[in-house]
Amino acid sequence: GESVGLHLPTLSVQEGDNSIINCAYSNSASDYFIWYKQESGKGPQFIIDIRSNMDKRQGQRVTVLLNKTVKHLSLQIAATQPGDSAVYFCAENEAGGADGLTFGKGTHLIIQP
Amino acid sequence: EAQVTQNPRYLITVTGKKLTVTCSQNMNHEYMSWYRQDPGLGLRQIYYSMNVEVTDKGDVPEGYKVSRKEKRNFPLILESPSPNQTSLYFCASSPEVGTYEQYFGPGTRLTVT
Repeated sequence: GESVGLHLPTLSVQEGDNSIINCAYSNSASDYFIWYKQESGKGPQFIIDIRSNMDKRQGQRVTVLLNKTVKHLSLQIAATQPGDSAVYFCAENEAGGADGLTFGKGTHLIIQP
Repeated sequence: EAQVTQNPRYLITVTGKKLTVTCSQNMNHEYMSWYRQDPGLGLRQIYYSMNVEVTDKGDVPEGYKVSRKEKRNFPLILESPSPNQTSLYFCASSPEVGTYEQYFGPGTRLTVT
């Protein structure tokens, strides 16, 4: 499959600040995008998703923005807390694709006190 | 509690000794999948299953087998493990094909010496 993910291994932010994690994708047929959070020693957990017919979606303290023109996805976390420290993965799936998600390499978010 | 379970969580074995990692979900999900996670490479899909008795290769199937005799179980079999299969393995499930959010198990850390 085509690659997903802008490799930015580590992002360090101050507690209370907003965090922005970026992701690029190359498959123009991608229809669905999802952000996962993986804490140390655990499996990935769903955060938020967005379909290609939308450009913004908000959840609790999180917002996903999709720019299909430049094939870019971002995850914004408001008022970052220590519990937000984790690796964040973007993933995509092609419309009708049954072979699962293609994951980016991940960004490690570190929260500074 | 709705969950995906994997066993064992940790395994150290030797080259060539057959092993099975079990995966079970209690959510009546149709779709199940296995991933391996390696530093710098992110999550890569090994095999997936759209329903009982239906399995397909993912991106990195070489050296692995799976079976789906029951809806809830999706074991991963390494007939003759090799050191390059040392990795962190995740099982995931989702309600149906086309439902893209996947629920992940806690992971199995495998070391092959």
